[in-house]
Amino acid sequence: EVQLVESGGGLVKPGGSLRLSCAASGFTFSSYSMNWVRQAPGKGLEWVSSISSSSSYIYYADSVKGRFTISRDNAKNSLYLQMNSLRAEDTAVYYCARDPSIAAARSHFDYWGQGTLVTVSS
Amino acid sequence: SYVLTQPPSVSVAPGKTARITCGGNNIGSKSVHWYQQKPGQAPVLVIYYDSDRPSGIPERFSGSNSGNTATLTISRVEAGDEADYYCQVWDSSSDHQVFGGGTKLTVL
Repeated sequence: EVQLVESGGGLVKPGGSLRLSCAASGFTFSSYSMNWVRQAPGKGLEWVSSISSSSSYIYYADSVKGRFTISRDNAKNSLYLQMNSLRAEDTAVYYCARDPSIAAARSHFDYWGQGTLVTVSS
Repeated sequence: SYVLTQPPSVSVAPGKTARITCGGNNIGSKSVHWYQQKPGQAPVLVIYYDSDRPSGIPERFSGSNSGNTATLTISRVEAGDEADYYCQVWDSSSDHQVFGGGTKLTVL
């Protein structure tokens, strides 16, 4: 059974940093692209970042480019999101999601974690 | 940047057919994916590559895509279909994934 479990969320002050993790199990992690998608309270889904299976392709939403860094450790079956210079508008539930693309991280999201809440507030 | 436009809400009586649209410039040239999200839960993929259904998704869910509009169709709607629905595409011109704003489906 495919499982994606996010962790690392919490309350952080504006300008602060946080590192999210996503632990994957039930599939060959190194064969899949991975993504972060967020949802602000009461709002719709917003794509944040994607990374291909071998980290060859990495993409960011304009709203986070230069502040967030996506990475993965295929040996540890883990996906990460380093979030710096956090703003109030980054407050959201952050979901880890699998993309069945191997090479280029440009397809759909077939499995999602349950999400971790990030709150940016003073 | 590429924009996907969905109606904020759609209402349908049980047993009837619901159609949720997703508009975008020449969206027919892209692959469209659809997600269902119930309150307090993570999204679930219901249609991918315009019209394919993942295993476990009822045949009542179908999709189409042509011209400037993609459509998610839910036949014989049930109370359990009440949820928010989002369309999504990959925009190759910006190298961005794009979601529509979401449509709340209400079963009357």
